[in-house]
Amino acid sequence: GAGVSQSPSNKVTEKGKDVELRCDPISGHTALYWYRQSLGQGLEFLIYFQGNSAPDKSGLPSDRFSAERTGESVSTLTIQRTQQEDSAVYLCASSPEALSGNTIYFGEGSWLTVV
Amino acid sequence: AQTVTQSQPEMSVQEAETVTLSCTYDTSESDYYLFWYKQPPSRQMILVIRQEAYKQQNATENRFSVNFQKAAKSFSLKISDSQLGDAAMYFCAFPMNRDDKIIFGKGTRLHILP
Repeated sequence: GAGVSQSPSNKVTEKGKDVELRCDPISGHTALYWYRQSLGQGLEFLIYFQGNSAPDKSGLPSDRFSAERTGESVSTLTIQRTQQEDSAVYLCASSPEALSGNTIYFGEGSWLTVV
Repeated sequence: AQTVTQSQPEMSVQEAETVTLSCTYDTSESDYYLFWYKQPPSRQMILVIRQEAYKQQNATENRFSVNFQKAAKSFSLKISDSQLGDAAMYFCAFPMNRDDKIIFGKGTRLHILP
């Protein structure tokens, strides 16, 4: 597609439910990132996929969070047993290859509200 | 550990005036890139400008320019002739290692006063 696409754009879920957030990167982009942004705050790194390398999961805040990526295409971020503190905007980004100065392109984010 | 620090949570500038947003970082790498991203109320992150550390010349994109001081590990963004559309959160960003994930500062919210 023309840009990074994320779905859903908004999601309201009850505490304790599982949610899945989807990211479609720009075609041909090998690197994919997930970030979390709480209201009015900066971007918190969650996970990074680069080609066939093992993903960098060092930013995942707990074992309730997981992410997968199919080849060099779609990625899904899953949050199990959601908590109110999980409420945030989840941003996905992609870039043509390992960073090395390449611009990363962001989607518009998925706004998650846990009630 | 590599870090990015933006010490100004909020700033205001009069329309048509010039404003400078600060960013400092810490790294042991010698060759790297630095970025400024803008996030308007629409939430869409947009690249404003990037700087290659091995280049002496400061990057410039129209009204946006940087003051890159490698020895001081400082990377400030100057916005000239500020416009109402410049109102946004501005994030300084930096890759942890040359081919690694990018980390962001906490951001500076810029208000443009008409």
